[in-house]
Amino acid sequence: AQTVTQSQPEMSVQEAETVTLSCTYDTSESDYYLFWYKQPPSRQMILVIRQEAYKQQNATENRFSVNFQKAAKSFSLKISDSQLGDAAMYFCAYMYSNYQLIWGAGTKLIIKP
Amino acid sequence: DVKVTQSSRYLVKRTGEKVFLECVQDMDHENMFWYRQDPGLGLRLIYFSYDVKMKEKGDIPEGYSVSREKKERFSLILESASTNQTSMYLCASSLSEAGSSTDTQYFGPGTRLTVL
Repeated sequence: AQTVTQSQPEMSVQEAETVTLSCTYDTSESDYYLFWYKQPPSRQMILVIRQEAYKQQNATENRFSVNFQKAAKSFSLKISDSQLGDAAMYFCAYMYSNYQLIWGAGTKLIIKP
Repeated sequence: DVKVTQSSRYLVKRTGEKVFLECVQDMDHENMFWYRQDPGLGLRLIYFSYDVKMKEKGDIPEGYSVSREKKERFSLILESASTNQTSMYLCASSLSEAGSSTDTQYFGPGTRLTVL
């Protein structure tokens, strides 16, 4: 069965610095999709970044980038120049051939001013 | 922008009551989902629907049912609420299945349900 593991329940970073959130997953599939979602306090879950497993190039969205290591089944999220508005729960998720997302337990990111 | 709305942000019910949670999306999405979110467990899929009147069980369907009579609306029903169903419930929608850029799921604000 596919599983997604986020080993860091909580991370903190100084404003303007860089932080990396870890995610590993287990699958026997070769073609799949990986996501990072952000859930700010009392606000809606939104997509941060999406990666197709068949693409070797790491996805980037402005200050957010991923380090996708397919062989290691690792999908970490790097946030550069951290801002107070980045404080949120971050969830890693996996999808393969249907509609279903498999979710990690989440990492709470704290931004220190 | 995609908008997914949920009927209530907070709800308090008594054990044994029948509870309806409503979700509406305005982007003509084919797929709709109900998740339950608990601390330390991430999101767990209760049910999803890929078309009107079609539904599929997710990982934790026990104690829940769903209804999708119209494309834009997906209801979650707790037939007889129990205290272990106290949780945050999230609704989501997506345009297509995995494999295209339109497989992104868009979420509503959530309903925090407390069963006493």
